Amino acid sequence: AQSVSQHNHHVILSEAASLELGCNYSYGGTVNLFWYVQYPGQHLQLLLKYFSGDPLVKGIKGFEAEFIKSKFSFNLRKPSVQWSDTAEYFCAVNGLNAGKSTFGDGTTLTVKP
Amino acid sequence: DAGITQSPRHKVTETGTPVTLRCHQTENHRYMYWYRQDPGHGLRLIHYSYGVKDTDKGEVSDGYSVSRSKTEDFLLTLESATSSQTSVYFCAISDRGETQYFGPGTRLLVL
Repeated sequence: AQSVSQHNHHVILSEAASLELGCNYSYGGTVNLFWYVQYPGQHLQLLLKYFSGDPLVKGIKGFEAEFIKSKFSFNLRKPSVQWSDTAEYFCAVNGLNAGKSTFGDGTTLTVKP
Repeated sequence: DAGITQSPRHKVTETGTPVTLRCHQTENHRYMYWYRQDPGHGLRLIHYSYGVKDTDKGEVSDGYSVSRSKTEDFLLTLESATSSQTSVYFCAISDRGETQYFGPGTRLLVL
């Protein structure tokens, strides 16, 4: 069975601070990895994804994530956060051809102006 | 945004009554999913569908049933609603079972 662990439940940063959210997964095969974002009162939307190739992937709004296979990790980063990045962030893993994803419990990011 | 609608968007019901939530898509995607979102639990998969009349259980399927009689519609039914089913329900769709696109959600309150 696949599982996803997000280490930080709530992160509070000031604007312009750097961000790194941890995500580790457990799965015994090839995976697709995702970060989704949910802004207050809205639905989840895709931030970025990794399927194969360059392990450093770039997404929308200046976010990036690095897949480290040996550590089963897919951490999300942003060099300088903005107040508008306040949201809940979900890491998800999808086994190849599994047809469904497993989501982490989410990390709430609060950015203080 | 992908063409996904959910209805109703808000519902208040009483314990023991049946409730049906509808998800409708205009993208012709093969996969459809129902999740519930609760504080501290993230998103948990209830049921999903990989084609018309093809469905499978997720991790929290007890007390829920689904039906998919046509590509565009995926119904979630709470046979006899309980207070523990008070939640926000999200539908999602996917073309190949990978990237998912989410609907706006339904807030359900069971009294």
